[in-house]
Amino acid sequence: AQTVTQSQPEMSVQEAETVTLSCTYDTSENNYYLFWYKQPPSRQMILVIRQEAYKQQNATENRFSVNFQKAAKSFSLKISDSQLGDTAMYFCASEQYNNNDMRFGAGTRLTVKP
Amino acid sequence: EAQVTQNPRYLITVTGKKLTVTCSQNMNHEYMSWYRQDPGLGLRQIYYSMNVEVTDKGDVPEGYKVSRKEKRNFPLILESPSPNQTSLYFCASSLVSSPEQYFGPGTRLTVT
Repeated sequence: AQTVTQSQPEMSVQEAETVTLSCTYDTSENNYYLFWYKQPPSRQMILVIRQEAYKQQNATENRFSVNFQKAAKSFSLKISDSQLGDTAMYFCASEQYNNNDMRFGAGTRLTVKP
Repeated sequence: EAQVTQNPRYLITVTGKKLTVTCSQNMNHEYMSWYRQDPGLGLRQIYYSMNVEVTDKGDVPEGYKVSRKEKRNFPLILESPSPNQTSLYFCASSLVSSPEQYFGPGTRLTVT
């Protein structure tokens, strides 16, 4: 089974600055997916970004981008031009190809300060 | 609107009183799953279902039951709730062919 580790329980960043959230994972599979989910105070789980392991190009969604290092099994999330609305818990997750078995990290609580 | 709904959103109950949290999706998804979220532990899978009448245990199934009699519904049953089941519960669904899971709004359960 895959395991996902987020080593930063809490982080903070000033509005308009850039922050990077770390995630490492362990898997014996070659094909899998990686995700970052955002959970604001409303508790809703919102998909931020997704990366297919077979793609070398790092995924990007507007201000959100990832640094996917397959050999190092690392999948960090970079948030550029941080906004107050980015304040949330962020979960890193992995899922094996054709399996639907999603595994989550413990989460990183991000606070964006004005 | 494509969505996963859960009811109730909040529930406070007492030890031993049976309860059911309902989950329904309108996207014709085959796969449905229940997670619990606890501080410092992230989301952990309780049970999942690959299709109607097919269910299986996740990582933390003790104290829970599920059923999948219809494709759209996947209720979570706590026959005899205990305080250690106080948690935030999420239902999720997806197509078996797709990795993206859609989450319900969550149910905050407190067992006293």
